[in-house]
Amino acid sequence: QKEVEQNSGPLSVPEGAIASLNCTYSDRGSQSFFWYRQYSGKSPELIMFIYSNGDKEDGRFTAQLNKASQYVSLLIRDSQPSDSATYLCAVNPNYGGSQGNLIFGKGTKLSVKP
Amino acid sequence: DGGITQSPKYLFRKEGQNVTLSCEQNLNHDAMYWYRQDPGQGLRLIYYSQIVNDFQKGDIAEGYSVSREKKESFPLTVTSAQKNPTAFYLCASRWLFNQPQHFGDGTRLSIL
Repeated sequence: QKEVEQNSGPLSVPEGAIASLNCTYSDRGSQSFFWYRQYSGKSPELIMFIYSNGDKEDGRFTAQLNKASQYVSLLIRDSQPSDSATYLCAVNPNYGGSQGNLIFGKGTKLSVKP
Repeated sequence: DGGITQSPKYLFRKEGQNVTLSCEQNLNHDAMYWYRQDPGQGLRLIYYSQIVNDFQKGDIAEGYSVSREKKESFPLTVTSAQKNPTAFYLCASRWLFNQPQHFGDGTRLSIL
């Protein structure tokens, strides 16, 4: 069973702090990794994707991938109340005929306090 | 404006009734997906299609059916055999297999 695990939270951080969201995955052959943000009652919105080991930065967001440890994280710098949402980690396990299918974690709820 | 359009936004089903959720995309994406999301839960894959006229069952296909007659369209029918249909239904599509999936705005289905 291919799995993606996230701490459900809630993770509470003060405004202006760094929020760190973590995700582990079970399939060592996984090739691509995605972070989605989902506001309450809305659909998921892609915010970052990463394919190679290391860091990838986009504005206030940094995705970090460590394939040896099967670990991917999302850092949000200078957190704002508008960042309060559930963050979904998704992994493409790339096996068999299901290439391109994503396995989603259950999400981490982030709350940024003014 | 390119995107994925789901309709209707809200849908109510009577007992014994089949209902169809629409999903249309103008992104020229090859693959399309249907997910179900229950409160506090992750996304569960119902059906997916990687090319026209072909589709595969996901993890929770029982009580659902789909068709893929056109590249742009991937409707989902929730049949009367689905005894617990109340959920948020999300359609997604992607271009190449390693590319991100993008989501429509979703359809919220409830039982009358």
